[in-house]
Amino acid sequence: AQKITQTQPGMFVQEKEAVTLDCTYDTSDQSYGLFWYKQPSSGEMIFLIYQGSYDEQNATEGRYSLNFQKARKSANLVISASQLGDSAMYFCAMRRPSAGGTSYGKLTFGQGTILTVHP
Amino acid sequence: EAGVAQSPRYKIIEKRQSVAFWCNPISGHATLYWYQQILGQGPKLLIQFQNNGVVDDSQLPKDRFSAERLKGVDSTLKIQPAKLEDSAVYLCASSLALDPRPNEQFFGPGTRLTVL
Repeated sequence: AQKITQTQPGMFVQEKEAVTLDCTYDTSDQSYGLFWYKQPSSGEMIFLIYQGSYDEQNATEGRYSLNFQKARKSANLVISASQLGDSAMYFCAMRRPSAGGTSYGKLTFGQGTILTVHP
Repeated sequence: EAGVAQSPRYKIIEKRQSVAFWCNPISGHATLYWYQQILGQGPKLLIQFQNNGVVDDSQLPKDRFSAERLKGVDSTLKIQPAKLEDSAVYLCASSLALDPRPNEQFFGPGTRLTVL
């Protein structure tokens, strides 16, 4: 079974500072994908960044980067130069391949971290 | 391009009543997902459709929950009868393919259900 753990219920950061949101995972699969989503108060889940288990380089998307440490089974999200609009709930998620080796898109989510950016 | 549409946005019912949620995916998206997000938790997949067929309903409480996607486009999720623990946000998502690229699963705004 897959499990995602986010141990920080809430985080605070000053505007323009960087912040790291923690995520650890547990899986027996060799091939898997790790995602981060942002959920603002409006409710929809917004895709931020993705890391494949075989990707050698850490993923980056603009101000978002993923600190992937495979041996430690961690996939922390780093947000640089925080903005007030970054205040939201952040979820780490995993997708595994099906038995046939093809992922069917099913995501397993962690509990989430509420990020508050102070001016 | 229009996003995933869901209605209603909010619903309050009493326990043992029935309720239905509607989802209209992005045009052309063959795969549709229903997730349940209980307060303080991450979303959990309830059911996944590919066109009008069920791909995965392993976590759907089938004694009270049902879902259909008869014409392979929009979908309805029903709860009958509702329990207090069904209070949650119900998120619908869609993707073009059964095995979507990482940034190609799109979520709707959700329906917030409160069971009293």
